[in-house]
Amino acid sequence: QQQVKQSPQSLIVQKGGISIINCAYENTAFDYFPWYQQFPGKGPALLIAIRPDVSEKKEGRFTISFNKSAKQFSLHIMDSQPGDSATYFCAASVSNYQLIWGAGTKLIIKP
Amino acid sequence: GAVVSQHPSWVICKSGTSVKIECRSLDFQATTMFWYRQFPKQSLMLMATSNEGSKATYEQGVEKDKFLINHASLTLSTLTVTSAHPEDSSFYICSAESPGLAGLYNEQFFGPGTRLTVL
Repeated sequence: QQQVKQSPQSLIVQKGGISIINCAYENTAFDYFPWYQQFPGKGPALLIAIRPDVSEKKEGRFTISFNKSAKQFSLHIMDSQPGDSATYFCAASVSNYQLIWGAGTKLIIKP
Repeated sequence: GAVVSQHPSWVICKSGTSVKIECRSLDFQATTMFWYRQFPKQSLMLMATSNEGSKATYEQGVEKDKFLINHASLTLSTLTVTSAHPEDSSFYICSAESPGLAGLYNEQFFGPGTRLTVL
């Protein structure tokens, strides 16, 4: 019940396209859903986060869509650029405490 | 703001030696810091939660006598890998909690990681 399932494991998108990464959870007590971006050899960086009181949050080219009834949330990267190539992790927590991590998605943007 | 640093960024040591990794919150005070371990192409695995002035809470399966954590101040936590062996080789990442906007929610900010290689 503590798991966060992330898909796909890897994703190749053409430059300018939309990248979509999905996550699903079971624990209805989760109330914080962040997405992290990690480049090789670096620590994760918080990209965008959402709470269950809203269904969508947009920051620049990055959008989180949240479906509370389906217990799913997704990251959309619009106009994907080669610089977006990285590994993306979704996570979830109860009151920002211990993050439960997804397995990660390696995103490659082809020029 | 909310910058977390780690030192060293990489270290190579001989089997049986101890290695200390420092994690600092540079522009905020962090009552709670977290230590993670990450294997290649895998997700982050939480090792322990460190609270300033108290003993760290270790996750199941993490040897507290091998991975010593000290959170001596609100801006510094250290992880010491004692008697390191090749299987301890990994990428170690710390994070620090920072108060969120309007003090409502805390956010975790991550350090750049430390690559440990034990020969």
